[in-house]
Amino acid sequence: GAGVSQSPSNKVTEKGKDVELRCDPISGHTALYWYRQRLGQGLEFLIYFQGNSAPDKSGLPSDRFSAERTGESVSTLTIQRTQQEDSAVYLCASSSGTADRGYTFGSGTRLTVV
Amino acid sequence: KNQVEQSPQSLIILEGKNCTLQCNYTVSPFSNLRWYKQDTGRGPVSLTIMTFSENTKSNGRYTATLDADTKQSSLHITASQLSDSASYICVVSGQAGTALIFGKGTTLSVSS
Repeated sequence: GAGVSQSPSNKVTEKGKDVELRCDPISGHTALYWYRQRLGQGLEFLIYFQGNSAPDKSGLPSDRFSAERTGESVSTLTIQRTQQEDSAVYLCASSSGTADRGYTFGSGTRLTVV
Repeated sequence: KNQVEQSPQSLIILEGKNCTLQCNYTVSPFSNLRWYKQDTGRGPVSLTIMTFSENTKSNGRYTATLDADTKQSSLHITASQLSDSASYICVVSGQAGTALIFGKGTTLSVSS
């Protein structure tokens, strides 16, 4: 597609439930990032995929968080047993993979855990 | 530790006035620095991108400067408009293949 697409745009879930967030990157982009942005806070790195290399998971806050990406296509971020502190906007970005290329962000998924 | 610090945290200006936002970073090695504009409820949108050899880059009313020696950047907004109200985020990229490092942003409010 023309841009990075994320779904759903909004998700309200009960505490303790699992949620799955989806990111469709720009076609041909080898790099894909997930970030989290809590209300009034800066962007927090979660995980980075680059082609078929092992992902950089160093930003995942706990083992309740996991992400998958098949090849250079769609990625899903899964949060298990959600907690209220997981409430945030989850942003996905993709790029062609070289450091001097632009990154394109999706509009994010606003997750609210009640 | 690689960090990006922005100031001020928030800023209120009158429509038509100019303003300058600051970004200091400690990222090393350094590849490039970006300024993003993030409207409420939207993803960040790139304004400028500069490598270490570039000192200034403009995008309409937005002008970014970079001093790679002092590791400082600024974003100057000229003749502000109400639509400039947003968060402005400074993002630094280290070596190729590593995650971007984000500042916490400056929230700009332009009032009439």
